[in-house]
Amino acid sequence: ETGVTQTPRHLVMGMTNKKSLKCEQHLGHNAMYWYKQSAKKPLELMFVYSLEERVENNSVPSRFSPECPNSSHLFLHLHTLQPEDSALYLCASSQARGTVQRRKLFFGSGTQLSVL
Amino acid sequence: KQEVTQIPAALSVPEGENLVLNCSFTDSAIYNLQWFRQDPGKGLTSLLLIQSSQREQTSGRLNASLDKSSGRSTLYIAASQPGDSATYLCAAGGSNYKLTFGKGTLLTVNP
Repeated sequence: ETGVTQTPRHLVMGMTNKKSLKCEQHLGHNAMYWYKQSAKKPLELMFVYSLEERVENNSVPSRFSPECPNSSHLFLHLHTLQPEDSALYLCASSQARGTVQRRKLFFGSGTQLSVL
Repeated sequence: KQEVTQIPAALSVPEGENLVLNCSFTDSAIYNLQWFRQDPGKGLTSLLLIQSSQREQTSGRLNASLDKSSGRSTLYIAASQPGDSATYLCAAGGSNYKLTFGKGTLLTVNP
């Protein structure tokens, strides 16, 4: 148990579907992240929320829509995805305050997404 | 734009061997350098974090070093065990929550 829980673990969806990924952290952190991990590519940062405010949006297509209702929960809403969006989507959390040098990330187990 | 490279991409060693994983980064203006472990189909587990002002960090059989001026970090694993088999990722911490990852080194420790 890492303290960061992601659901579902696996998701198969068609290109016209709408689905949501959920992340919950029990570590008392106040920054949350979405990363995408595709085969043979480094992890790509998608979104960052710090103190419930979006502080990073890495040119992600609008078919991905994040939501952070409070510091413990993070969602990624998916709509009309493409097959190339198939990947492992990882959620992470960290402290937002304090020294940047000490900011350690804690990851969930990820949602393996397949778009047909 | 920060780029992180890890060499080798894959490594297979017999149990008990000491080994070194390499990580290089192009922009030396980093806040920290982090090493993670990832098991197949799983998330990342943080192993070591070296702050930009530090030279190394140790945890058990793991030792990570950082040379900011040359843009390099190494992860040393002593007396490797089959349970160490995993993908090891390094990541350079920059400003605004950016953490730039390498593609990882796939380590296999054979019994």
